[in-house]
Amino acid sequence: DQQVKQNSPSLSVQEGRISILNCDYTNSMFDYFLWYKKYPAEGPTFLISISSIKDKNEDGRFTVFLNKSAKHLSLHIVPSQPGDSAVYFCAARLTGNTPLVFGKGTRLSVIA
Amino acid sequence: SQTIHQWPATLVQPVGSPLSLECTVEGTSNPNLYWYRQAAGRGLQLLFYSVGIGQISSEVPQNLSASRPQDRQFILSSKKLLLSDSGFYLCAWSGGGVGYGYTFGSGTRLTVV
Repeated sequence: DQQVKQNSPSLSVQEGRISILNCDYTNSMFDYFLWYKKYPAEGPTFLISISSIKDKNEDGRFTVFLNKSAKHLSLHIVPSQPGDSAVYFCAARLTGNTPLVFGKGTRLSVIA
Repeated sequence: SQTIHQWPATLVQPVGSPLSLECTVEGTSNPNLYWYRQAAGRGLQLLFYSVGIGQISSEVPQNLSASRPQDRQFILSSKKLLLSDSGFYLCAWSGGGVGYGYTFGSGTRLTVV
């Protein structure tokens, strides 16, 4: 049973435009959500996070939105740059020391 | 500062051979440690996690095992590899609290032939 779902395996966006990556979850007890970025043959790196008590968190070109009623979060990247081309993983946490639950990832390609 | 080391970077092993992947963390004590595998089309699958020396939780039944002989050392092993064990293996650590979540190692690309 997949608790964190990224239904779009890939996304292609033109440079300078907005990239929107989506993530849905099923467990309403998740209290923290994170986005990771992964380049080929490297480990994922932390990008941005949001607590379940907030609905938006912004860091430079990256903004994460959380809609708890819809159990949906999205990552907005604007403007998109070629260096943003990577696989993006959505992750969620239940409580304290429980392991993060990851989605399957979305491969973003930013075309120059 | 904290760093995580994972090796080897790539590994080609025949079916039925043993496996040992090692991960060490520096600059922190009593970290939570994790082994993940990224297989094609399956995202990041949690294999094992450990909250202390000798404490291992297994998430996926398979022919892999994990051990934590020291506070900052986490080892992934197999006695006999299967073709299906091929994938990209990632070690990660966390301090156990909120914030940046996990810090991942650079990964090991394992190909079982």
